[in-house]
Amino acid sequence: DAGVTQSPTHLIKTRGQQVTLRCSPISGHKSVSWYQQVLGQGPQFIFQYYEKEERGRGNFPDRFSARQFPNYSSELNVNALLLGDSALYLCASSRDRFSDQPQHFGDGTRLSIL
Amino acid sequence: AQSVTQLGSHVSVSEGALVLLRCNYSSSVPPYLFWYVQYPNQGLQLLLKYTTGATLVKGINGFEAEFKKSETSFHLTKPSAHMSDAAEYFCAVSDQALRDDKIIFGKGTRLHILP
Repeated sequence: DAGVTQSPTHLIKTRGQQVTLRCSPISGHKSVSWYQQVLGQGPQFIFQYYEKEERGRGNFPDRFSARQFPNYSSELNVNALLLGDSALYLCASSRDRFSDQPQHFGDGTRLSIL
Repeated sequence: AQSVTQLGSHVSVSEGALVLLRCNYSSSVPPYLFWYVQYPNQGLQLLLKYTTGATLVKGINGFEAEFKKSETSFHLTKPSAHMSDAAEYFCAVSDQALRDDKIIFGKGTRLHILP
């Protein structure tokens, strides 16, 4: 079975632009979570989606939004990009919404803001 | 609020020596605890997790960790380091009571293996 796939792998944007990152979960997984990992830090929780509904949100501004589609894939949108948004964005999927289930991470999208 | 503290941003051990990566957590409710490994330019891979039951948890690649409630610790160990263990390791905690996917990660410990 394919693992969690994220696209694109790398992205370069300029300040003020908007970006959409995509994630396809493992087949059969209904929960998708998004994390931001700034260089030298651990991942920070942004969103969790389960059954197309937002189930959790981290401490991120409203410029960050996400959605989950009927096939359980997900998109993360970031508007009005700032230099500080430069990071590795990780998507993780699990069978259900509870954290005792193992989360499987994709290799991430590295976003660079110039 | 939950938090995780990993002691030592960099740890170096010789090949064949004991690996010990330290993690202390803070949680007002019974936690779920995790160790993840991240290789360069890759996502995170789950090494092991503690949810309930036995406090000594065995994971992949010969790693294990022990949940010590009295010390609020969840240190990661491996008896004999291998060159392939060089990576970034993250300790993480989540809240059993919330029953959601939100995981709080520590800042990570980079493990260097010396030949």
